[in-house]
Amino acid sequence: GAVVSQHPSRVICKSGTSVKIECRSLDFQATTMFWYRQFPKQSLMLMATSNEGSKATYEQGVEKDKFLINHASLTLSTLTVTSAHPEDSSFYICSAALQGYYGYTFGSGTRLTVV
Amino acid sequence: AQTVTQSQPEMSVQEAETVTLSCTYDTSENNYYLFWYKQPPSRQMILVIRQEAYKQQNATENRFSVNFQKAAKSFSLKISDSQLGDTAMYFCAFQGGSEKLVFGKGTKLTVNP
Repeated sequence: GAVVSQHPSRVICKSGTSVKIECRSLDFQATTMFWYRQFPKQSLMLMATSNEGSKATYEQGVEKDKFLINHASLTLSTLTVTSAHPEDSSFYICSAALQGYYGYTFGSGTRLTVV
Repeated sequence: AQTVTQSQPEMSVQEAETVTLSCTYDTSENNYYLFWYKQPPSRQMILVIRQEAYKQQNATENRFSVNFQKAAKSFSLKISDSQLGDTAMYFCAFQGGSEKLVFGKGTKLTVNP
């Protein structure tokens, strides 16, 4: 089945630094990937849609200069949290769709802690 | 815009019994897909079951089945013979023409021994 690998699973960084999270589709090509943020005991909030070879589409209220998304190939999308602050601490999840299939496969998530 | 509503923040059930989780949605689209995802304590999102709106027959996957009422815009999940491993957050989700998944707020299900 379709597998999405997300790394790292946990990261702690200092305030002001940048952190990159990778999302890879292992056995299929993903033209579209999605990035979500999840606060404790809450639902998933869509941050942006990542399209291979083009700029990401951000949801309203998401700072595109803080959350940089790059989808340089059909199997890799990255989310970079720039100049991280403690309020950016959260659980970030990516997902991808297998072409022609409705529904998405999710990565295992990244718990980001900014200290 | 589409919305998904899960009116039960928390539910509990005894092991081996049956439980039904509710979900309603609002959309003006005619062709769409509905999903139930499970998120256990590991936080990995797992697809439980999906339903195509153009299919009248309710989807089933082993112990999991749905009651899809298109006119009422209702999409409930029934879990039969509940197991301890079913303890998780359950999210109902809608996907229309935009490809985006719209999630409900989730229902925390606890299966008690």
